[in-house]
Amino acid sequence: SQQGEEDPQALSIQEGENATMNCSYKTSINNLQWYRQNSGRGLVHLILIRSNEREKHSGRLRVTLDTSKKSSSLLITASRAADTASYFCATSTSGTYKYIFGTGTRLKVLA
Amino acid sequence: DTEVTQTPKHLVMGMTNKKSLKCEQHMGHRAMYWYKQKAKKPPELMFVYSYEKLSINESVPSRFSPECPNSSLLNLHLHALQPEDSALYLCASTEDPNEKLFFGSGTQLSVL
Repeated sequence: SQQGEEDPQALSIQEGENATMNCSYKTSINNLQWYRQNSGRGLVHLILIRSNEREKHSGRLRVTLDTSKKSSSLLITASRAADTASYFCATSTSGTYKYIFGTGTRLKVLA
Repeated sequence: DTEVTQTPKHLVMGMTNKKSLKCEQHMGHRAMYWYKQKAKKPPELMFVYSYEKLSINESVPSRFSPECPNSSLLNLHLHALQPEDSALYLCASTEDPNEKLFFGSGTQLSVL
């Protein structure tokens, strides 16, 4: 399977704490993206990091990419109850429209 | 308009029924996607249309038949589905293979 693996599968933290989730993938990529999904709804794009980038920030989000290890991490700082959702990484291969999603991390932020 | 609109939101159908899912976007995106998602699982790619032509079919059973009538519209025709086909069906679009996907809110399908 080309699917990426994410860990942990589930994460429960207190409001105000930081949440870190990791994604590993198998093939060479063009870019790696992170998406959020609230229960039973569509996915929302959070951040995109290109294969020639190592780190990117957007608000409370920080993404790193290590192409030598074929891995990425998403850090959410100062988490809020509203951050409770499933988070997926997705990779695309250069020259194709094919986006493959990782297995996902279910984050629960307790108020 | 930065939305992908999917209809219906919910669909219940019998195994002998024929139904269609509809997806629409007016962002001028060149590629449109169908994904299938089971509970607590990641979205699984089914089909990709680029420039209104089917470019990727991930070995999806023929009881699922995609159609792209124009650059803004994508349909998924369903026929003789099985109960295991019950899932959330998501439509997405993108302007460029190097850019992000925009998702619709999905159709929750139940096959009885």
